[in-house]
Amino acid sequence: DIVLTQSPVLAVSLGQRATISCRASQSVSISSINLMHWYQQKPGQQPKLLIYRASNLASGIPARFSGSGSGTDFTLTIDPVQADDIAAYYCQQSRESPFTFGSGTKLEIK
Amino acid sequence: EVQLQESGPGLVKPSQSLSLTCSVTGYSITSNYWGWIRKFPGNKMEWMGYISYSGSTSYNPSLKSRISITRDTSKNQFFLQLNSVTTEDTATYYCARGLNYDGYYHTAWGQGTLVTVSS
Repeated sequence: DIVLTQSPVLAVSLGQRATISCRASQSVSISSINLMHWYQQKPGQQPKLLIYRASNLASGIPARFSGSGSGTDFTLTIDPVQADDIAAYYCQQSRESPFTFGSGTKLEIK
Repeated sequence: EVQLQESGPGLVKPSQSLSLTCSVTGYSITSNYWGWIRKFPGNKMEWMGYISYSGSTSYNPSLKSRISITRDTSKNQFFLQLNSVTTEDTATYYCARGLNYDGYYHTAWGQGTLVTVSS
């Protein structure tokens, strides 16, 4: 299975940029298609799709969120961070089955 | 707007079967993909499997022969059955709509239902 590694916690100040990383144990890209997706999960809520195929913003998601990366290294950026962004962020790959998730990064405010 | 809602027992005894229903409104399950994901205590998330618009299924091999996902298109519902459960299957179970186009990802999720396996 492809293992996705995320840092457990990231602390940033309001109004600053948050950079959340996800590293895959093998490439999750096929040609120019990057099969990495990002979700946000707030406490007590279900996950919500933020970014699909590494850099595409899901419907209704603010432009403060963006994604980048290819191969094995991917980044979710939130700029600027707002109080409403306090949540856990998960990456998920679909390069091969079984689809796997990262362990999540909890975004905290400094 | 699509909405998904899980339902089923919150407590299951070890060695028994876990059965959950996902009721979908606002979208037909004869389109797209419909899956189950679970989140364990400690926050690890696991994709369990899906049933497609045509009724074909794909499962996580880690669940081997214990899992079955079926559907009732007349009720716009799909179902999860997990057999021979142990305490390791205690988790919050989510149903979700999947899109499988240049990659598979989950575009809408249910609220989730906590299932505890305990005697």
